[in-house]
Amino acid sequence: DAGVIQSPRHEVTEMGQEVTLRCKPISGHDYLFWYRQTMMRGLELLIYFNNNVPIDDSGMPEDRFSAKMPNASFSTLKIQPSEPRDSAVYFCASSRQGGMPQHFGDGTRLSIL
Amino acid sequence: GQQLNQSPQSMFIQEGEDVSMNCTSSSIFNTWLWYKQDPGEGPVLLIALYKAGELTSNGRLTAQFGITRKDSFLNISASIPSDVGIYFCAGQVNAGTASKLTFGTGTRLQVTL
Repeated sequence: DAGVIQSPRHEVTEMGQEVTLRCKPISGHDYLFWYRQTMMRGLELLIYFNNNVPIDDSGMPEDRFSAKMPNASFSTLKIQPSEPRDSAVYFCASSRQGGMPQHFGDGTRLSIL
Repeated sequence: GQQLNQSPQSMFIQEGEDVSMNCTSSSIFNTWLWYKQDPGEGPVLLIALYKAGELTSNGRLTAQFGITRKDSFLNISASIPSDVGIYFCAGQVNAGTASKLTFGTGTRLQVTL
């Protein structure tokens, strides 16, 4: 079975630019999660969706961050405008049900110059 | 955000040795998960625990769900070089539709020949 697929794997851009990260969850999984990983703060949950509906976005750092899930097989995380402190590895994960283990993609390594 | 305390932070062991690491929390969790992360990749699920006191094995790995629901342990027997990586514990509350994972700070394992 295909796992969670994220793109791009790496992104380098200048501050102020818009950044869009993409995620395709595992087919049949109803939950989708966006995480950010940094050395200082570890793995942080940003937002998660259930059946394409955002359930909890309390981890989204600020209004510059937005996430959408237009259908069951696709989600985006957008940063506009980007800042150097947004540099991190962003992971997408999905799970079949709320209480089931989450499966992670390989992440997008984002560098904002 | 909240993080679980993992110890030790890092370990250097020789091939063939057994490894033990633990994770503690001030909060109760209903599910404990253990993940391993290799460089440049996302966390990969190793073991999931769903009941207090549960002891579960996956090959050379054994994990236990603490009776108090506030801790969990992971043991690796007869370590091999490919065990190198960062091991994360994660706790999940599973209250209603809440599916948030709280991650530990990680244990970095280095295995020497």
